[in-house]
Amino acid sequence: KQEVTQIPAALSVPEGENLVLNCSFTDSAIYNLQWFRQDPGKGLTSLLLIQSSQREQTSGRLNASLDKSSGRSTLYIAASQPGDSATYLCAVSNTGNQFYFGTGTSLTVIP
Amino acid sequence: EAGVAQSPRYKIIEKRQSVAFWCNPISGHATLYWYQQILGQGPKLLIQFQNNGVVDDSQLPKDRFSAERLKGVDSTLKIQPAKLEDSAVYLCASSFWSSEYETQYFGPGTRLLVL
Repeated sequence: KQEVTQIPAALSVPEGENLVLNCSFTDSAIYNLQWFRQDPGKGLTSLLLIQSSQREQTSGRLNASLDKSSGRSTLYIAASQPGDSATYLCAVSNTGNQFYFGTGTSLTVIP
Repeated sequence: EAGVAQSPRYKIIEKRQSVAFWCNPISGHATLYWYQQILGQGPKLLIQFQNNGVVDDSQLPKDRFSAERLKGVDSTLKIQPAKLEDSAVYLCASSFWSSEYETQYFGPGTRLLVL
């Protein structure tokens, strides 16, 4: 069974700092990996989707990388802003599109 | 385009009572998912529908949970009878199809508290 781990569980940084969130997974036979954002009391919003054949994806200040062989992904946030404060979840899908989520990293950006 | 709709947003019940949640996916989305998210954890897939057929319900506690998607559009998730450990947020998501290229769109969730 796929297991997804996210480190750190919580992170607090001053505004403007660049930061990296980490995700690791145990089974490298994945279809894709997604990074989601979850705001309190709300559902999840997809930020970036990396297909199994890709190495990275970029959207604005966000960059996600994927290393299937080592079972790792990172989400890089450049020039962090208070509006980036949220919980970031990593999810991988295996054959059959079953999604497995990590427990998330709670990010606080201090003005 | 309208997002995934869920109701109710909040529900408080006593243990052994029954409860039902409703989800309306994005128009045209063939695939619908129900997730359970316990506080401090990531979402766990309960059931996946493709149109009105079940693709995966391996993590659905079938002794108390049931779900249906009549006509391949709206879906309901029922818990009967509820236990204290069912307290969680129940998230519904949909996607156009089930493939490696498709992202899932999530609704706001239904927060259930079982007393």
